[in-house]
Amino acid sequence: EADIYQTPRYLVIGTGKKITLECSQTMGHDKMYWYQQDPGMELHLIHYSYGVNSTEKGDLSSESTVSRIRTEHFPLTLESARPSHTSQYLCASSEQGRTEAFFGQGTRLTVV
Amino acid sequence: AQSVTQLDSQVPVFEEAPVELRCNYSSSVSVYLFWYVQYPNQGLQLLLKYLSGSTLVKGINGFEAEFNKSQTSFHLRKPSVHISDTAEYFCAVSAGTYKYIFGTGTRLKVLA
Repeated sequence: EADIYQTPRYLVIGTGKKITLECSQTMGHDKMYWYQQDPGMELHLIHYSYGVNSTEKGDLSSESTVSRIRTEHFPLTLESARPSHTSQYLCASSEQGRTEAFFGQGTRLTVV
Repeated sequence: AQSVTQLDSQVPVFEEAPVELRCNYSSSVSVYLFWYVQYPNQGLQLLLKYLSGSTLVKGINGFEAEFNKSQTSFHLRKPSVHISDTAEYFCAVSAGTYKYIFGTGTRLKVLA
């Protein structure tokens, strides 16, 4: 059973608001990831981290930012939400690329 | 660079019938292969993985997959499906670095 948690599960928010999506894992994994997934579509990597104080942008350009101050915590922030940000956001972690990634339950964000 | 192709976007199948979901990959280096399942409004759950060794891999819920290096394939099979297997299935590869490359997904619809 994977121990990676995302909050909130669902969020409806107005345009222009600042939001932070939380992701925490208790497995001590160094690598963490944020994926964006539109309904019924593939996953797109938007951010990843090798460890504390290490963050990189992924393959899909995103207006969001991330931070990694603690190993277990990898929050994603949108400074000013827009309807185009409406999507599902999936957080994942892995011990290293040679093993599987573990996924959280996801946050479904709707910006109105 | 690696890539993953899932040839079927949707697969309808009757309950208790066998099913095969196809996955082909390309890579210039050795890879690790994964199948994940995603139920509606959920994250991804690992079904099975191939890291090395036996090319026939057994996973959870009665699924299995066979790694075929010459055909660069990693097809997922189940001899008898249930209604509860209705979900989205994703094939993924990793070359042992930080990156997981996901396919576009196959929607399995089990019919009564």
